[in-house]
Amino acid sequence: ELKVEQNPLFLSMQEGKNYTIYCNYSTTSDRLYWYRQDPGKSLESLFVLLSNGAVKQEGRLMASLDTKARLSTLHITAAVHDLSATYFCAAGSGSARQLTFGSGTQLTVLP
Amino acid sequence: EAGVAQSPRYKIIEKRQSVAFWCNPISGHATLYWYQQILGQGPKLLIQFQNNGVVDDSQLPKDRFSAERLKGVDSTLKIQPAKLEDSAVYLCASKTGRNTEAFFGQGTRLTVV
Repeated sequence: ELKVEQNPLFLSMQEGKNYTIYCNYSTTSDRLYWYRQDPGKSLESLFVLLSNGAVKQEGRLMASLDTKARLSTLHITAAVHDLSATYFCAAGSGSARQLTFGSGTQLTVLP
Repeated sequence: EAGVAQSPRYKIIEKRQSVAFWCNPISGHATLYWYQQILGQGPKLLIQFQNNGVVDDSQLPKDRFSAERLKGVDSTLKIQPAKLEDSAVYLCASKTGRNTEAFFGQGTRLTVV
């Protein structure tokens, strides 16, 4: 059974600072997804990572995947208040396209 | 392109009552998921369809939950009878290929009192 763990679960950071969210998964997975969720809203897709060493960047967010270490990271550069949200990673497994989510990281960017 | 549509947005019921949720996925998306998201947690998969067939329902509490996807398009999720611990947001998502992202609907927030 695929398990996905994120850390930290809660993160408060000041504007302008950098930080990294970690996502570990327990069994082989060849695709990793990052989603953002604002309070009371649904999940918005941020990144799809499909191969070892994949790196994708959008604005102040950069995601990477190391399939050998079973680790994905979401790096935040020079945080701004608009990035405050909960971030989820999800690992895909099997030919049946199953998605298993982590518990989420609640990010608060303070002025 | 229209997104994943879900209804109702909110529902309040008493325990032991029944409730049904509806989902219309993005056109052409063969894979459809129902997730349960309890406050403060990540989404937990309840059931996955590929066209109108069930791929995975191992985490669906089958004594009270049921789901169907007629004609491989719309889907309904039913809870009968509801328990207090069923209070959650029920998310529907759909996707096309194996390596594409899933698109989520707005969800149905269920409160069981």
